[in-house]
Amino acid sequence: DIQMTQSPSSLSASVGDKVTITCRASLGISNYLAWIQQRPGTAPKSLIFAASSLQSGVPSKFSGRGSGTEFTLTINNLQPEDSAIYYCQQYYSLPLTFGGGTKVEI
Amino acid sequence: EVQLVESGGGLVQSGGSLTLSCAVSGFSFSTYAMNWVRQAPGKGLEWVSAITYNGEKMSYADSVKGRFTVSRDNSKNTLYLQMNNLTAEDTAIYYCVKTPFGNYHLSTFDYWGQGTLVTVSS
Repeated sequence: DIQMTQSPSSLSASVGDKVTITCRASLGISNYLAWIQQRPGTAPKSLIFAASSLQSGVPSKFSGRGSGTEFTLTINNLQPEDSAIYYCQQYYSLPLTFGGGTKVEI
Repeated sequence: EVQLVESGGGLVQSGGSLTLSCAVSGFSFSTYAMNWVRQAPGKGLEWVSAITYNGEKMSYADSVKGRFTVSRDNSKNTLYLQMNNLTAEDTAIYYCVKTPFGNYHLSTFDYWGQGTLVTVSS
C-alpha cells in the first residue's frame, strides 16, 4: 500500500495569513493526488485533483503543487471558514489511501 | 444539483449485518463509478470499496474483503454496501462518494454524501 504522510499534523494561523501543508507519498504517484477539506462536524469536500486542479466551485485561494512523491497545498488569505482538517489522498493505485490529516485552526 | 443521500446506518451487534444505501440525484448515476469511504469516530478517512459505472468490477480494502459487498442498481439510482460479520472496528461514518469517471481506476473523487453512522456494539 502507498503510505501518505502529511506535515504538520496541526497548525494555528491568523486571518489573512498564508499557510502551506506538505504531503509525501511512500512511492511515486505522478500527479494522482487529491486534497480534501473537512470542516468540523461536516462531510468531506473535494478541493483539488491531479495535484493542482481545482474542483468546480473551489476558490482560487486554494492551490496545489507537486508531482512524484512530494506535494503541497497552499491556502492564501486565511478566513475563519477555512478552519478544517485537510487530507491528501492518492488515487494512483488501490487501495486508495489518505494522509493522516492536517488540522488548521484560525 | 448533485445529491448523495446515505441511509441504513444504525446500531448493530458484533457479528451482525447491515445494508447501507446511497440514493443519488442531479447526475447520470449509470455513467459514473462510485466509492464508499468511512471515518471512525475522531479518526481519519479510510477507503472501503469501489464499483464501476456498470457494476461489473468491484474492489475492496483488505480490512473488509470477504465481509462487505458493494453493488448498485442503476435503474433506481442507488448504491449499496452490504456489511456482514461486523466488528467494533467497523464503527464509523460511511460516506458515499462519486467519481468523475466510469471506472474507478486512476479516478479521483468529486462529490461526497453526508454520511450514515454505523455503530457496532460488542
